[in-house]
Amino acid sequence: AQRVTQPEKLLSVFKGAPVELKCNYSYSGSPELFWYVQYSRQRLQLLLRHISRESIKGFTADLNKGETSFHLKKPFAQEEDSAMYYCARATAGNKLTFGGGTRVLVKP
Amino acid sequence: GAGVSQSPRYKVAKRGQDVALRCDPISGHVSLFWYQQALGQGPEFLTYFQNEAQLDKSGLPSDRFFAERPEGSVSTLKIQRTQQEDSAVYLCASSPHNTGELFFGEGSRLTVL
Repeated sequence: AQRVTQPEKLLSVFKGAPVELKCNYSYSGSPELFWYVQYSRQRLQLLLRHISRESIKGFTADLNKGETSFHLKKPFAQEEDSAMYYCARATAGNKLTFGGGTRVLVKP
Repeated sequence: GAGVSQSPRYKVAKRGQDVALRCDPISGHVSLFWYQQALGQGPEFLTYFQNEAQLDKSGLPSDRFFAERPEGSVSTLKIQRTQQEDSAVYLCASSPHNTGELFFGEGSRLTVL
């Protein structure tokens, strides 16, 4: 079965500090990977996808096939980055398999 | 307005009752998904429709769970004889095409007493 693992339930950082959210996936072929974010009182929404190789809100994520990882990074965290972050992988039939989520708390 | 709309937002059911959760996807979106999210967990896939066809129902936890999308638009997730372990947020999402970008509703929080 396809698995997506986010080892950290909570990440607490100070404003301006770097933040890195870890995501590992079970190996299988060429994965399609995504990061979704849920801000307080908002619905779950797409943050970025690996195939587009873009930076959104200062976040980037690099696919490392050797380590089967897709970690999300931002060099200088802002208070508005406080949210739940979910790593996800597309599997057969276009469905997404999500990790357990990481709560990011950015302290002033 | 047009995001994905779900109703009811909150539902409290006594154990053994049947419940029905409704999802209105974004107009024109071909794909529709249902996910179950237990407290402190990530969303877990339940079922997937492409238009009116239910292409994957591998995530439905038991035969008490049933989903339909008869006209390829609105979808209903029905849970019969609810159990306490069914308590969760049920998320609906739609997508215009197979890109992995899902547009989520706000969810229906089900509490079974």
